[in-house]
Amino acid sequence: GENVEQHPSTLSVQEGDSAVIKCTYSDSASNYFPWYKQELGKRPQLIIDIRSNVGEKKDQRIAVTLNKTAKHFSLHITETQPEDSAVYFCAASVDYKLSFGAGTTVTVRA
Amino acid sequence: GAVVSQHPSRVICKSGTSVKIECRSLDFQATTMFWYRQFPKQSLMLMATSNEGSKATYEQGVEKDKFLINHASLTLSTLTVTSAHPEDSSFYICSAFRGSEAFFGQGTRLTVV
Repeated sequence: GENVEQHPSTLSVQEGDSAVIKCTYSDSASNYFPWYKQELGKRPQLIIDIRSNVGEKKDQRIAVTLNKTAKHFSLHITETQPEDSAVYFCAASVDYKLSFGAGTTVTVRA
Repeated sequence: GAVVSQHPSRVICKSGTSVKIECRSLDFQATTMFWYRQFPKQSLMLMATSNEGSKATYEQGVEKDKFLINHASLTLSTLTVTSAHPEDSSFYICSAFRGSEAFFGQGTRLTVV
């Protein structure tokens, strides 16, 4: 089955700096790569996603890049704010079945 | 608003009892729903795929006789944790795709005492 690895597990950044989280996946059939933000005890919240026919996607301060050849994708958050502090999960999907990375706890220092 | 609703949000049960969790798609039909389990400070792990009108597909290591899944209609899937034990205490979340995006239920915090 699909195996998704996510790094780093924790990330502390100064407010205003950028944060980058990287994920790799194993199944070349994966075609959908969402990123979620999850607050404690809450459902995952989609922040951005990318499909296999696209290399990069941006939405305001958030961007995702995908390298299908290398089977890795990354989340970039620019101009970080305290409210960006949360746990972030990457995921890869084959036939709508999502496999999640281990998560990254992001702390934005004021 | 929420498009996938899960109930209950919290449940405490005694060891040995069974607990049923419901997952509903509110404004769309979902022939397939997914059940995940999330332990504290860990990721979401897929337990099983719920298929309307047919048997669920379980991931490796998930006991199908312990985690009973029923998908009797196009908008409802249920997960029953049978003979619950303290180690089953976890956060259970369902999801369904509407179009090309996954939507998650609110999650159910199960505590077995």
